[in-house]
Amino acid sequence: AQSVTQLGSHVSVSEGALVLLRCNYSSSVPPYLFWYVQYPNQGLQLLLKYTSAATLVKGINGFEAEFKKSETSFHLTKPSAHMSDAAEYFCARISGNTGKLIFGQGTTLQVKP
Amino acid sequence: DGGITQSPKYLFRKEGQNVTLSCEQNLNHDAMYWYRQDPGQGLRLIYYSQIVNDFQKGDIAEGYSVSREKKESFPLTVTSAQKNPTAFYLCASGTDRGVQPQHFGDGTRLSIL
Repeated sequence: AQSVTQLGSHVSVSEGALVLLRCNYSSSVPPYLFWYVQYPNQGLQLLLKYTSAATLVKGINGFEAEFKKSETSFHLTKPSAHMSDAAEYFCARISGNTGKLIFGQGTTLQVKP
Repeated sequence: DGGITQSPKYLFRKEGQNVTLSCEQNLNHDAMYWYRQDPGQGLRLIYYSQIVNDFQKGDIAEGYSVSREKKESFPLTVTSAQKNPTAFYLCASGTDRGVQPQHFGDGTRLSIL
């Protein structure tokens, strides 16, 4: 079945350190891929999306993600973590069958001072 | 400012009771969505609507009902048939007629008394 898998339900980094949140997708045809961020008790905000135009996608708040077909991955990175980056992050893809978004399980990012 | 308003923020349901969650948007979006969020499971699609007076079931529609009588409104009723309704419910909207939601509300947290 088409899906996205986020490796690690919790990631902890120190302020100023590199942020790396992992996402892998399953399918032979590269899908549209998305990263969303959710702050506590709020809805989701779109960070960035891949629509096959460029493999390196830049988003808001200094985040970027690289699409790697050979690894079926779309990992999210940020060079230097801020305390305000602490949130839950969701990777998502468009289902080839239904055309609807399928979400990963989410990764909670903790940023330590 | 344009956006999505969900109300109430917290809701409690008694056994055997139907409850309705409100979702209003002033973004002039055609498409609206309801998602259910449970810890460690990401978001799952309950219902979606691409146009007024039309809606389709998502992945977990059993025990839920919706209506779309006005473009700006998409209320969700959690019926007594939904045996495990405790969750965080998110409403979203978009312009792509079902491809992806672009804006999310801040959610309603439903609990059982």
